[in-house]
Amino acid sequence: AQSVTQLDSQVPVFEEAPVELRCNYSSSVSVYLFWYVQYPNQGLQLLLKYLSGSTLVKGINGFEAEFNKSQTSFHLRKPSVHISDTAEYFCAVRSNAGKSTFGDGTTLTVKP
Amino acid sequence: EAGVAQSPRYKIIEKRQSVAFWCNPISGHATLYWYQQILGQGPKLLIQFQNNGVVDDSQLPKDRFSAERLKGVDSTLKIQPAKLEDSAVYLCASSLDPAPGQGDTQYFGPGTRLTVL
Repeated sequence: AQSVTQLDSQVPVFEEAPVELRCNYSSSVSVYLFWYVQYPNQGLQLLLKYLSGSTLVKGINGFEAEFNKSQTSFHLRKPSVHISDTAEYFCAVRSNAGKSTFGDGTTLTVKP
Repeated sequence: EAGVAQSPRYKIIEKRQSVAFWCNPISGHATLYWYQQILGQGPKLLIQFQNNGVVDDSQLPKDRFSAERLKGVDSTLKIQPAKLEDSAVYLCASSLDPAPGQGDTQYFGPGTRLTVL
């Protein structure tokens, strides 16, 4: 069985400030890790993914995430956020069998 | 490249009625997924197709939900009869990998928002 916990349901932050959205996971097998963004009334869009190799993964829109196997975490970071980054962010894991499990999301609100 | 198409975008029905959703994946994508996203929660996989065969339907409430993928392309998801707790956004996604792809990117449609009164 696998599960994902997004530690913060809401993260308010001022424009141009750094942000970190936290994600912990549990799984009895090796997994692949993903971050998605969802804008209002839209589907999910892939931000970045970790499959193997370097534990620091860079994605679109200036986001990056670091895979920490010992802490079973995959936190998402951005050094300077914009108003347009306001959205819902989802962390997900996928097993070797191809089954995906999503967290419950973190609402990022960027204030001017 | 056209994205994943879904229709309708919104649907309001009364409990015990039937409803169907349609999904057209990205051309050439072998794997198709249906997710249920309840307000305030992440998407939950209902069913996964590889071409026109079912890979995983372990979380599909089979007493009321059914899905099919005709000729390995379009797919329909049906609920009959609907319950209040079925109110959610139903997301369709597709990916290129012909096998249950581990790292393959899923492309999501805009979803169908279902309200059951």
